[in-house]
Parts: sequence; structure tokens; C-alpha cells
Amino acid sequence: RKEVEQDPGPFNVPEGATVAFNCTYSNSASQSFFWYRQDCRKEPKLLMSVYSSGNEDGRFTAQLNRASQYISLLIRDSKLSDSATYLCAVRTGGGNKLTFGTGTQLKVEL
Amino acid sequence: NAGVTQTPKFRVLKTGQSMTLLCAQDMNHEYMYWYRQDPGMGLRLIHYSVGEGTTAKGEVPDGYNVSRLKKQNFLLGLESAAPSQTSVYFCASRPDRGSVYEQYFGPGTRLTVT
Repeated sequence: RKEVEQDPGPFNVPEGATVAFNCTYSNSASQSFFWYRQDCRKEPKLLMSVYSSGNEDGRFTAQLNRASQYISLLIRDSKLSDSATYLCAVRTGGGNKLTFGTGTQLKVEL
Repeated sequence: NAGVTQTPKFRVLKTGQSMTLLCAQDMNHEYMYWYRQDPGMGLRLIHYSVGEGTTAKGEVPDGYNVSRLKKQNFLLGLESAAPSQTSVYFCASRPDRGSVYEQYFGPGTRLTVT
């Protein structure tokens, strides 16, 4: 089983829709969680960290479910500009490394 | 403030040739990383460094060597390129701050080995 797993998609949604992605992780010792956004042929950029109590940044909401070992990203009122690949990343214990999922592709359509 | 830069942006090598990829950051970050990204495989860590003069192996280190002689630079070397090393290579850096774990990525180097 991969350490971090994501549904590759693509998720094709109309503009204005709400869409959610999940990311599962296998190591119960994982402590820090993140969502990165990667545009086509560009570098990944941090979208948001995921806190234990859940957190929101504008139209984006991230949640952590430790019992089931997954994190989620909810995007409300999708915009065309949200079209990208969303990578989840997990830091385990006190390590200096992140393990990335393969990414979920989102396509927002008119 | 250029952030993280990578040189070159594109390169085509023949099997058996060698090359060095340069990553430079001007943010005084302690940690630096080299990843490769392949379709369906996501970002995989090749090597990383926790400070000047230190390096460590990541998930897929075979066929690569690295050096961190200066804090701002992290070099990735391919001694004898193979077609399996065709990939997009990303460098990243991050500061040594306990509460923030954002990695800043460079724009990538697209390498093709024929």
C-alpha cells in the first residue's frame, strides 16, 4: 500500500460547484498534513496546511480525520482558475521530509 | 528576491552522458530537496540536505549524487544518464522554523535521456 494515496481524477465540475477530494495516509504516526496546488507544467505551491480542528481559507476548507487516516479538501463555488492538480503531502513524526500523493486533477468547466 | 531557481530549464542527454543540475535559493533556507516527478508516480524524493555540507538519501537515490558545498546551492548529478531518468526534476527549500513546513519549489528542469 502506498504511504499516501489520492484519486487521480480528473474531476470535471461546472463553475460554481462544490467539489471535495480525499487523501489517505497509511502511517498512523503522521503528524503534519498539507495541500499543494500544481498548475500544468509548473511547480507545486503550498495551498494550505491542515490542522487537527479543520481550517478554512476563503472558499477552501481542509479537514483531518485521524481515526480513518485521511485528509480532505473542499472547494466551494469553483472557479475556472481552480483548475489544477491538488497534491496532498504528509510529514511523519519529526522527519525532515514530506511524502506526496500523486495528485488529483480538477477541471472546472463553463 | 528570486526564491528558488533551477538551471537548466530543459536538457536532452544521450544515454551514458553526465550532467549536473543546479538549484539555488536566496532565502537563507537550511533545508533543500531534490524530487523527480513522473506521470502516475507523483513527486518522489531523491536526496535532501538539512544544512550546508550535509546530504541524505531519499526514496529514489540510485543513479544520482548530490552536494551542498554552499548553503544556497544544492547540486544534483547524474554520472551516467539512463532513459529511466527522463523526468521533471524539482528542487525545493524550506526554512528551519518549527511551526511552518512550507517547501518552496523551483520551476523545474525537464530532462530527456535518449
